[in-house]
Amino acid sequence: DARVTQTPRHKVTEMGQEVTMRCQPILGHNTVFWYRQTMMQGLELLAYFRNRAPLDDSGMPKDRFSAEMPDATLATLKIQPSEPRDSAVYFCASAQSEGASTGELFFGEGSRLTVL
Amino acid sequence: SQKIEQNSEALNIQEGKTATLTCNYTNYSPAYLQWYRQDPGRGPVFLLLIRENEKEKRKERLKVTFDTTLKQSLFHITASQPADSATYLCALDMVSSASKIIFGSGTRLSIRP
Repeated sequence: DARVTQTPRHKVTEMGQEVTMRCQPILGHNTVFWYRQTMMQGLELLAYFRNRAPLDDSGMPKDRFSAEMPDATLATLKIQPSEPRDSAVYFCASAQSEGASTGELFFGEGSRLTVL
Repeated sequence: SQKIEQNSEALNIQEGKTATLTCNYTNYSPAYLQWYRQDPGRGPVFLLLIRENEKEKRKERLKVTFDTTLKQSLFHITASQPADSATYLCALDMVSSASKIIFGSGTRLSIRP
C-alpha cells in the first residue's frame, strides 16, 4: 500500500531550536509539496519540487525555513531557529506529474509541531 | 488580490439531503480544479479533478461543476450520510504558474442522522 511517510508525527520543542521534518514520497512520484496548516490560515503552500528541482518556495519565510530534496526518496523541511508562530501541522504531498499539470496529490499524515 | 473562498466555514444538513459546497476564486486562472476531503488529524484525501474545459464530473454520489466564467466550482454530495461529515477543500491546479496547487480554507460539513 503506497503512501507518503512523514517523520516525526509530533514534535515539541523550545523557541530557538532547530527542527527538521522529513518526507518520503511515494516511489516513482516526481513532484513533492510542503504545506503548513493552521486554524487561522488553512493550508498554505510553502515550497514544492519537480524532479528534485525547487520550483517555487515563495510561500516560505526564507530567513528561517529551508527545503531540500537530497534524493528522490527524501524531502526535508528545516526551521532554524524555530519560533512559537511556527506551531502548526506540516504536510508533505507527492504526485506523479505528467506535462504541465501536477495532478492528484497524495498527502502524508502530517508532522504536528509545537514550539514553546 | 488573489483569493480562494469556500462558502461558510461550516455546513450542517440532514442525512439524505444533498450537500452543496461552493468554491469561488479571484485573480487566478486554473487549468484544473480539485476537491479533497480531510478528516480530523489526517491528511487531505483526493476526491475529484475537473478540467477547465469540462462543465461537470461525477463519481458515485459526488458531482463537481466548474464555471471558468463565474470563477466558481460547486461540489455536491447526494443522499448524504453521517460518514460524509468532514472538511472539504477545493484546490486550484495552476498550470500557468509552474503547476503549483493552492487550497481554499475548507468547509466543515456535518451530516446529522
